[in-house]
Amino acid sequence: GDSVTQMEGPVTLSEEAFLTINCTYTATGYPSLFWYVQYPGEGLQLLLKATKADDKGSNKGFEATYRKETTSFHLEKGSVQVSDSAVYFCALRGGGADGLTFGKGTHLIIQP
Amino acid sequence: GAVVSQHPSRVICKSGTSVKIECRSLDFQATTMFWYRQFPKQSLMLMATSNEGSKATYEQGVEKDKFLINHASLTLSTLTVTSAHPEDSSFYICSALGPGRGYTEAFFGQGTRLTVV
Repeated sequence: GDSVTQMEGPVTLSEEAFLTINCTYTATGYPSLFWYVQYPGEGLQLLLKATKADDKGSNKGFEATYRKETTSFHLEKGSVQVSDSAVYFCALRGGGADGLTFGKGTHLIIQP
Repeated sequence: GAVVSQHPSRVICKSGTSVKIECRSLDFQATTMFWYRQFPKQSLMLMATSNEGSKATYEQGVEKDKFLINHASLTLSTLTVTSAHPEDSSFYICSALGPGRGYTEAFFGQGTRLTVV
């Protein structure tokens, strides 16, 4: 079956540091890929997505590129802020109306 | 944007009782909703897909008689944990396919923390 593997946390960085959270996947066919963010006390929010190979999703300074050859969708941000502290989930969907397959989540802590 | 509301946010119940969790789409109609379960430090696991007016589709290993799902209207799906036991304690999250990109974008509720004592 489909699966998503993302780096374990917590990841602790200083403000303005460069962020990479690795995500790799296994799936049949051509899944859509997502990053969701969960701020403390809130529900999951879609951060960005990509629906086909070489697509780049971007939002709020975060970026991720759908790499089919390496089955990866790593999340990056050039300069993190304290407000980016949250749990980040990588996920995939095999079909348009299917449920999502999630990674375990990475807790990101940004220190001033 | 599309809002999904889940209620209650926390519930404590006694072993052997049943608990109902509601998931509502507040500003859109959702023909498809999903229920997930999250264990501590684990990923969200899809339990079932709920389609309005039809029976839910359960993932392998999920007991449909224990986790009853009803999606009787386009804005409400409910998950009832029947005869709850301590091992059912978990964080339950619903999502709905909402407006945007042909109703393929998922919007999530805030989750329900269930504790069975």
